[in-house]
Amino acid sequence: GAGVSQSPSNKVTEKGKDVELRCDPISGHTALYWYRQSLGQGLEFLIYFQGNSAPDKSGLPSDRFSAERTGGSVSTLTIQRTQQEDSAVYLCASSFWTAGMPEAFFGQGTRLTVV
Amino acid sequence: DAKTTQPNSMESNEEEPVHLPCNHSTISGTDYIHWYRQLPSQGPEYVIHGLTSNVNNRMASLAIAEDRKSSTLILHRATLRDAAVYYCILKGMDSNYQLIWGAGTKLIIKP
Repeated sequence: GAGVSQSPSNKVTEKGKDVELRCDPISGHTALYWYRQSLGQGLEFLIYFQGNSAPDKSGLPSDRFSAERTGGSVSTLTIQRTQQEDSAVYLCASSFWTAGMPEAFFGQGTRLTVV
Repeated sequence: DAKTTQPNSMESNEEEPVHLPCNHSTISGTDYIHWYRQLPSQGPEYVIHGLTSNVNNRMASLAIAEDRKSSTLILHRATLRDAAVYYCILKGMDSNYQLIWGAGTKLIIKP
């Protein structure tokens, strides 16, 4: 597709269940980023990938959060044993790997609600 | 990445210019100034970026103060579709992602 695609667009889950969020970046973009955004707030960085490797995982809030990227393309963000405070919009972005200057293209996000 | 300060909200009339300010007093010499905007229920969208000189593109202009401690995003003729939250972000030259996003400025356009 022409843009970054995220699925599902909405997810409601029960507390304690695991969820997987998917991101399809723009073809050819080697960098991929995950952010989350709580209502009315700015974006909170979670993790980024350069190719299939994640040089910086420091933004992941806890060990319940993990992410992987395969084939330098699709990425999955997994949240285990979800908690109500995990409710947020999870945004994925991709860009060319050009330090300092890349324009990042964002998907429309996955709205996660933990009940 | 250094921090930025923006007003929480601004209002403007349709078809008038809009000047959105951003303060970044702790900017380093190698930090780029990026602007993104986020329309309701959308992911952020890149608007413009610059380092030292003023920049223009089809969406907006970016005016950067001589000391680089502040910048202004200029929408030359606002339309209702420009109503969004505008984020000013600094990104280091050796950094490929934005660590710190503030709450941005919510721009309200009045018809």
